[in-house]
Amino acid sequence: GENVEQHPSTLSVQEGDSAVIKCTYSDSASNYFPWYKQELGKGPQLIIDIRSNVGEKKDQRIAVTLNKTAKHFSLHITETQPEDSAVYFCAASKTGNQFYFGTGTSLTVIP
Amino acid sequence: NAGVTQTPKFRILKIGQSMTLQCTQDMNHNYMYWYRQDPGMGLKLIYYSVGAGITDKGEVPNGYNVSRSTTEDFPLRLELAAPSQTSVYFCASNLPGFQAEAFFGQGTRLTVV
Repeated sequence: GENVEQHPSTLSVQEGDSAVIKCTYSDSASNYFPWYKQELGKGPQLIIDIRSNVGEKKDQRIAVTLNKTAKHFSLHITETQPEDSAVYFCAASKTGNQFYFGTGTSLTVIP
Repeated sequence: NAGVTQTPKFRILKIGQSMTLQCTQDMNHNYMYWYRQDPGMGLKLIYYSVGAGITDKGEVPNGYNVSRSTTEDFPLRLELAAPSQTSVYFCASNLPGFQAEAFFGQGTRLTVV
């Protein structure tokens, strides 16, 4: 099956700086890569996603890049704010009905 | 619009007891899932369903059972609770097809003692 690795497990940045989280996947047939944000005591919520036919996608301060050859994708958050503090998960899917998740990154934005 | 609703939010079970975690969604989603989340381990898929009457095993199905008699409901059954089943459980749903956003419930924190 698919194996998704995520790094780093924890990340602290100063408010206003950028944060980057990286994931690799093993199954070259995976074609959909969502990113989820999980706040304390809540379920994960989708923040951005990318399909395998696209190399980069941006939504305001959040961007995701995908390198299919290297089988890795990354989440970039610019101009971080304290409300960005949460746990972020990457995931990979090839069927749209099974998602394999990374182990999560706990992001802390220091005011 | 309630989305995905899970009950209960918290539960303590004794070893060997049974319980059912409830999940219901009001978005008419065909696909539903159960995940467990352990510290530092991400989310692992337990079972999933692509429609009423159809269920299939995920990565970690042992010790669990599911049923899907309606589009809305997807209960998860623990028959003989074990300490290894202490975890946070999440139900999720989405529409058929690729690149369909999965919506998650708030989670059920289960402790087996």
